[in-house]
Amino acid sequence: SQQGEEDPQALSIQEGENATMNCSYKTSINNLQWYRQNSGRGLVHLILIRSNEREKHSGRLRVTLDTSKKSSSLLITASRAADTASYFCATFNSGTYKYIFGTGTRLKVLA
Amino acid sequence: GAVVSQHPSRVICKSGTSVKIECRSLDFQATTMFWYRQFPKQSLMLMATSNEGSKATYEQGVEKDKFLINHASLTLSTLTVTSAHPEDSSFYICSARDQGLAYNEQFFGPGTRLTVL
Repeated sequence: SQQGEEDPQALSIQEGENATMNCSYKTSINNLQWYRQNSGRGLVHLILIRSNEREKHSGRLRVTLDTSKKSSSLLITASRAADTASYFCATFNSGTYKYIFGTGTRLKVLA
Repeated sequence: GAVVSQHPSRVICKSGTSVKIECRSLDFQATTMFWYRQFPKQSLMLMATSNEGSKATYEQGVEKDKFLINHASLTLSTLTVTSAHPEDSSFYICSARDQGLAYNEQFFGPGTRLTVL
């Protein structure tokens, strides 16, 4: 399969809680991006992390990258109902020069 | 920041007609653009790689005669869905690679929702 794996596939939490999503991939990468997609809408870019970076922050978002384990995680702190969306990781395959998307995590934040 | 636009954002067409979707890099040059398709509640699947001035390369299982790609300039790639059928209804997203960036960073357009009646 060309896709990376994300887990969990679905996550339901209460407002104010933290949400953690994980992404695993198979090949060497140059960078990895996280995107949000609201139902029926386009992609919203969240964070890009390069292969020589281990952690990156943007507001309530924290992304980590472990190239030795070929995995990344996205942490959303103090979640809000507006964070309800699907979240995808996309890895840049340095062998094929293509971005491959993960299967996605559907996050639901309950008010 | 790098911006990629798509036009139209939404299109509805009759079965058997052809539909053209444009993807533009607005503030950078992109010798390579990518086209993805997303079915409801699924992830994005790469369809093809569009190379400026040369033929596109298609992923396995994607019909090149059905999904015509033209990358005529450094800022524009078009995807034409020929003889569209209801099963072609999907969300089509393009991305463009900024050749000027060291890590070949890629930026995504907002997507085009195609509905074939």
